[in-house]
Amino acid sequence: DIQMTQFPASLSAPIGDSVTITCRASQNIRSYLNWYQHKPGAAPRLLIFDAYTLQSGVPSRFRGGGSGTEFSLTISSLQPEDSATYYCLETYSVSITFGQGTRLEIK
Amino acid sequence: DVQLVESGGGFVQPGGSLSLSCAGSGFTFSDYAMSWVRLAPGKGLEWVSAISGSAGGTFYADSVQGRFTISRDNFKNTLSLHMKSLRFEDTAVYFCAKGRQDAWTDRILEHWGQGILVTVSS
Repeated sequence: DIQMTQFPASLSAPIGDSVTITCRASQNIRSYLNWYQHKPGAAPRLLIFDAYTLQSGVPSRFRGGGSGTEFSLTISSLQPEDSATYYCLETYSVSITFGQGTRLEIK
Repeated sequence: DVQLVESGGGFVQPGGSLSLSCAGSGFTFSDYAMSWVRLAPGKGLEWVSAISGSAGGTFYADSVQGRFTISRDNFKNTLSLHMKSLRFEDTAVYFCAKGRQDAWTDRILEHWGQGILVTVSS
């Protein structure tokens, strides 16, 4: 099974700043990596698929990158509504695997 | 607009059974693979199971293989998850999610429901 290591587990940043979340795969998953945003009580939201393709309707402040085993999600010009937990998800394997999640607090 | 609404959650004792449903609307239900994902208290998202649009293929996480059964009724636009031999660690919010293709090859979960709580407790 593919293991996804996501870090940091949590972070806090002020409005207007930029943050980067990293996901590392235990094996080469090419570009089969998605990013999701999840707020309590809401449906998870697809942000990025295939490592760097922005899902329709997602602000361009969200940027994905990487390939192979190392991936990143960068959120720039942080807004209060970006407060959420972010997850990476590898879709290379049939039994897809999420990262552990990163809780982002906007100060 | 795509809508996914889960139902059927609740309390169940360890070893018991429970069935979840997910009603889909706003899209041609039979054209898309569907999946279940769960979020346990204090933990992260965990993929549970998936089924192709034609129901020709079903897929399970090791943690639920042999205990959970995914199915769909393309006439009623409904996805189901029958859970048996439930354990404390199955306590979670269960989300249904829609794929982007019929087959479970794309595996991008594009739309999600808001989830339904299942509590396994004695």
